Amino acid sequence: KNQVEQSPQSLIILEGKNCTLQCNYTVSPFSNLRWYKQDTGRGPVSLTIMTFSENTKSNGRYTATLDADTKQSSLHITASQLSDSASYICVVSPTSGDQFYFGTGTSLTVIP
Amino acid sequence: KAGVTQTPRYLIKTRGQQVTLSCSPISGHRSVSWYQQTPGQGLQFLFEYFSETQRNKGNFPGRFSGRQFSNSRSEMNVSTLELGDSALYLCASSLDPLDGGYTFGSGTRLTVV
Repeated sequence: KNQVEQSPQSLIILEGKNCTLQCNYTVSPFSNLRWYKQDTGRGPVSLTIMTFSENTKSNGRYTATLDADTKQSSLHITASQLSDSASYICVVSPTSGDQFYFGTGTSLTVIP
Repeated sequence: KAGVTQTPRYLIKTRGQQVTLSCSPISGHRSVSWYQQTPGQGLQFLFEYFSETQRNKGNFPGRFSGRQFSNSRSEMNVSTLELGDSALYLCASSLDPLDGGYTFGSGTRLTVV
């Protein structure tokens, strides 16, 4: 069964600290994996996209890694800011063109 | 470049009523998909349209339906509303539906009372 699991479910960190969010998936075959940031009351916004052959992709203070062998991805946020407070959703796309598979997200709260 | 526009932003309906939500994709995008987001279930796929044809459908009852027009605008309809239909309904559009490159709208918050 194709699944995407994210951990932790929620996370609270101090402003300026780093954090890492995890995404484990069983989707196969695999085309690409995206990380989205969703602010409260808004639609998700794409942060990074990685294909099977990519290991790391950065977007400013956000760095995503992918291990296609173990079917794991992580999103590392460096020097967190209050505006990083949001839900982070991992989305996996199979090669079949079927529907995408969403994780339930990690809720990140950055406190001053 | 305008993003994905969803209307209305907020909606309150009573049980048993029906509702129609609208989505205007990014210009040039022919793929539109719909999602339901609730705190307990996260994002769940409803259906996807490409060039006015439904390509994929999630596991939702027949009360949920949609359509896409020739200008790629899409509507989603929910009939006989239930309390559990209260959710944020998100629409996303894409130039190429196979690469996962969807851009989401801000959603319509539906509350059923």
